[in-house]
Amino acid sequence: SAVISQKPSRDICQRGTSLTIQCQVDSQVTMMFWYRQQPGQSLTLIATANQGSEATYESGFVIDKFPISRPNLTFSTLTVSNMSPEDSSIYLCSVLELSETQYFGPGTRLLVL
Amino acid sequence: SQQGEEDPQALSIQEGENATMNCSYKTSINNLQWYRQNSGRGLVHLILIRSNEREKHSGRLRVTLDTSKKSSSLLITASRAADTASYFCATVVTGGGNKLTFGTGTQLKVEL
Repeated sequence: SAVISQKPSRDICQRGTSLTIQCQVDSQVTMMFWYRQQPGQSLTLIATANQGSEATYESGFVIDKFPISRPNLTFSTLTVSNMSPEDSSIYLCSVLELSETQYFGPGTRLLVL
Repeated sequence: SQQGEEDPQALSIQEGENATMNCSYKTSINNLQWYRQNSGRGLVHLILIRSNEREKHSGRLRVTLDTSKKSSSLLITASRAADTASYFCATVVTGGGNKLTFGTGTQLKVEL
């Protein structure tokens, strides 16, 4: 399976600031996704990161708040903009392999004060 | 929105016992995947079962899928303290573009 890393692993940020999370995969993958897990909750899909084009966002998530880049088949970033305490969550990237299995990165734990 | 509901929400058993978790979903699926998450860390993939499959095994794990009832179960046999974690089912909805929709999760605690 693909090896996925995320940076940073955790961060504490002030409200109103922005944080960019990086997701790196050790092999080329066609599909990458970004999920959010709020405290004590399950995972919710934010968007599908499309290589070379704009990300596809799920209902309730907008590009101005969560801009996503995917410059190539091994790398993607998610920015959480103008943060508020409600953005405190774990953010996870995942990749889809040919087996249809989705593998997840270790996550970025974000606390907004 | 959540596609699946998991039952029970929490389960506490003794080491050596079996643990069964159930997942129900609402719409037609391509596949269903089970994950484990330890203490809010990343998700570990356990098993994928496709819509045309009824049962799969991996080590101490057994997964069943009943598409007529729109439900799946995960059985962990001979549980160990290290199995203590949250377990999530996630579905790829037919026509949903490979996106995973997660269930609510079951918190399993295995006591010595």
